[in-house]
Amino acid sequence: GEDVEQSLFLSVREGDSSVINCTYTDSSSTYLYWYKQEPGAGLQLLTYIFSNMDMKQDQRLTVLLNKKDKHLSLRIADTQTGDSAIYFCAENQAGTALIFGKGTTLSVSS
Amino acid sequence: NAGVTQTPKFQVLKTGQSMTLQCAQDMNHNSMYWYRQDPGMGLRLIYYSASEGTTDKGEVPNGYNVSRLNKREFSLRLESAAPSQTSVYFCASSAGQGHTDTQYFGPGTRLTVL
Repeated sequence: GEDVEQSLFLSVREGDSSVINCTYTDSSSTYLYWYKQEPGAGLQLLTYIFSNMDMKQDQRLTVLLNKKDKHLSLRIADTQTGDSAIYFCAENQAGTALIFGKGTTLSVSS
Repeated sequence: NAGVTQTPKFQVLKTGQSMTLQCAQDMNHNSMYWYRQDPGMGLRLIYYSASEGTTDKGEVPNGYNVSRLNKREFSLRLESAAPSQTSVYFCASSAGQGHTDTQYFGPGTRLTVL
């Protein structure tokens, strides 16, 4: 398909791990991104991964990339209520602008 | 550094009115972008400017015009606002290095057209 696909909602309990999945479209995308949007705010760059990497870890965040399946995931360890937000996956096609998924709303209950 | 700033934060217009959304960045970035965000639609690109003096249409340019005033500033104009343009508008900027580019976003302008 033409779209970057994400599941729309994920609900977890505080302390659990969250895994947000994304499938992207362009196998030539060099960088893939995860952005976080808190209520009423703009988009904050969380992390990104270069396409020749399989995994990137940054504190509680782990990004896994399966280039063959064009599948990207974001794992948040020890999820906190402050992690409640919308998470957007994005790819950079043709060196111009980002193509975003529709976003996954993460709800963390205590 | 303030990063990317946008004004105004909120605006209510009547159908047919015009307005300009302002965006400025202080990161010496070459490229700037305007997106709109609608519920369940993610972000869609309206216009972008790869470098000072150039602008190009994105996915949803109809009803909008842009001006890259200088390297710092990129404005978005609605000449005759319509209810379908009710949305949250985000400006972003990037260094402008093609596939290695990382975009940084402003806080958004929430626009309602009645």
